[in-house]
Amino acid sequence: DAGVTQSPTHLIKTRGQQVTLRCSPISGHKSVSWYQQVLGQGPQFIFQYYEKEERGRGNFPDRFSARQFPNYSSELNVNALLLGDSALYLCASSLPGQGNEKLFFGSGTQLSVL
Amino acid sequence: GENVGLHLPTLSVQEGDNSIINCAYSNSASDYFIWYKQESGKGPQFIIDIRSNMDKRQGQRVTVLLNKTVKHLSLQIAATQPGDSAVYFCAENGSSGNTGKLIFGQGTTLQVKP
Repeated sequence: DAGVTQSPTHLIKTRGQQVTLRCSPISGHKSVSWYQQVLGQGPQFIFQYYEKEERGRGNFPDRFSARQFPNYSSELNVNALLLGDSALYLCASSLPGQGNEKLFFGSGTQLSVL
Repeated sequence: GENVGLHLPTLSVQEGDNSIINCAYSNSASDYFIWYKQESGKGPQFIIDIRSNMDKRQGQRVTVLLNKTVKHLSLQIAATQPGDSAVYFCAENGSSGNTGKLIFGQGTTLQVKP
């Protein structure tokens, strides 16, 4: 079975640009979460979507937005990029409706903002 | 505030020895804890989880211990192998009770010497 897949794997942008990152969850998983991981730190929660509805949002500015599609894939959008947005962006999926379900991560998209 | 932290940033062990990685958490509302392993260039990989109604859980070569009295979590790896070299993160679900929204510590780097 395919795991969580993310695209692209690497991306280079300049300040002020906009970026869209994509994620396909594990088949059957309806919940998708996005995390930002700055070098040397643990992942930090950005968003969670479940059944196409936003279920939670972390402490990130409105420049960050996301959505989930009917097939449960998801996109993370970041507008007006700043140098500090350079990080590994991780997508994770989990099984639906089981409470403390395990979270499975993709390999991430490495975003560099120049 | 919510915080998940690790006591040591780097742990160096001899191949074949047992490893113990520690984690402190501050949110008494957390009822679910997970250990992840992250190798260079990859996303976090699920190792083992534990709920707050348990104090010990064993997997293959790994054991997680939970001490709710002192808000402490540990990961024990038996007969550490070179392939265990990675960064290890503990994570908790915090007051949200939602595992899509995990709070990660900063991580401990495990180095296994041959």
